[in-house]
Amino acid sequence: DTEVTQTPKHLVMGMTNKKSLKCEQHMGHRAMYWYKQKAKKPPELMFVYSYEKLSINESVPSRFSPECPNSSLLNLHLHALQPEDSALYLCASSQASAAGNNSPLHFGNGTRLTVT
Amino acid sequence: AQKVTQAQTEISVVEKEDVTLDCVYETRDTTYYLFWYKQPPSGELVFLIRRNSFDEQNEISGRYSWNFQKSTSSFNFTITASQVVDSAVYFCALSEAGGGSQGNLIFGKGTKLSVKP
Repeated sequence: DTEVTQTPKHLVMGMTNKKSLKCEQHMGHRAMYWYKQKAKKPPELMFVYSYEKLSINESVPSRFSPECPNSSLLNLHLHALQPEDSALYLCASSQASAAGNNSPLHFGNGTRLTVT
Repeated sequence: AQKVTQAQTEISVVEKEDVTLDCVYETRDTTYYLFWYKQPPSGELVFLIRRNSFDEQNEISGRYSWNFQKSTSSFNFTITASQVVDSAVYFCALSEAGGGSQGNLIFGKGTKLSVKP
């Protein structure tokens, strides 16, 4: 079992809905990430939080809104999504280091999102 | 620019065969990190190995081994005596050093490995 837990596993939503994806880790990691993965493609970085502060936003549309309530939790709020946003959304965590020792990322199982 | 190339899109082998997954990278940095991740059908990405640019020693972990060669910018992954449970998509990834680039993994396109019984 992965040490990064994501809920829900599957989500179907309409274009006018508001929903949230949740991610939790208890490894004491201070860096958390959201990735988006389309079918048969590699994951693409969306957001990075370091010590609960947003440090990287890879030009993600505002219909995706991340939130890091505390060091163990990471949310992704979704609003007015498009069908092309359907994908696997992966959360990850790692040790954070100002020295940048590039600690391995530990990924969750992902949320498979379908926008209708 | 940084880039990771996994030329093999799909590989199919029969159980107990050895298989090598190729990874070639490009970077202008002298300090960088290379990773391999496994993504089984269940979806999660499983970390397999991290190697920094100053450590060219090959590594063996059970049936897995990695061959890092800076001279050819390659970081190949070999599975010995493959098993059905090895069936997955394998990603090679690169990241530059520096705190600001945490999580900015440059992934290859992945190689889908199918191991038939």
